[in-house]
Amino acid sequence: GENVEQHPSTLSVQEGDSAVIKCTYSDSASNYFPWYKQELGKGPQLIIDIRSNVGEKKDQRIAVTLNKTAKHFSLHITETQPEDSAVYFCAASNEKLTFGTGTRLTIIP
Amino acid sequence: GAGVSQTPSNKVTEKGKYVELRCDPISGHTALYWYRQSLGQGPEFLIYFQGTGAADDSGLPNDRFFAVRPEGSVSTLKIQRTERGDSAVYLCASSLSLGEKLFFGSGTQLSVL
Repeated sequence: GENVEQHPSTLSVQEGDSAVIKCTYSDSASNYFPWYKQELGKGPQLIIDIRSNVGEKKDQRIAVTLNKTAKHFSLHITETQPEDSAVYFCAASNEKLTFGTGTRLTIIP
Repeated sequence: GAGVSQTPSNKVTEKGKYVELRCDPISGHTALYWYRQSLGQGPEFLIYFQGTGAADDSGLPNDRFFAVRPEGSVSTLKIQRTERGDSAVYLCASSLSLGEKLFFGSGTQLSVL
């Protein structure tokens, strides 16, 4: 089955700086790669996703890149704000999502 | 419209008891998923439905766990003879169809004492 690894497990960034979270996956059949943000006591919220026929996607301050050959994908958040503080999960999917172990992002004001 | 709704939000039970967790998906979503999330971990897949049938139940940990979706909308996750190790947040998600974006509910925090 699919195995997704995520790094780093914790990340502290000064407000206004950029944050990068990286994931690798094992199953070459995976073709959908979403990112979720989870705040305390809430369910994961989809923030951006990318499919395997695309190398990069951007939505305002958030971007995701995908390298299918290396089985790597990354989340980039620019101009970070305090409200970006949360746990972020990457996931990979063929039919069902397999999640990474999460990154706790803290934005320092 | 309304998002995925899960009830109860919290459930405390004693070891050995039976529990039912309910999920109301987004209206019109044909695919429904159950995940389990332990503290500090990512969600782990349990089972998903396409319509009324369980398309993949490979994530259910053992035969104490069972899920149904009799009319292709609301789903119930059933856990028999609960154990302390079953304590976790149980998340439900739905998507328009298989392979589309998943939208999660807020989860049910299950505590087995």
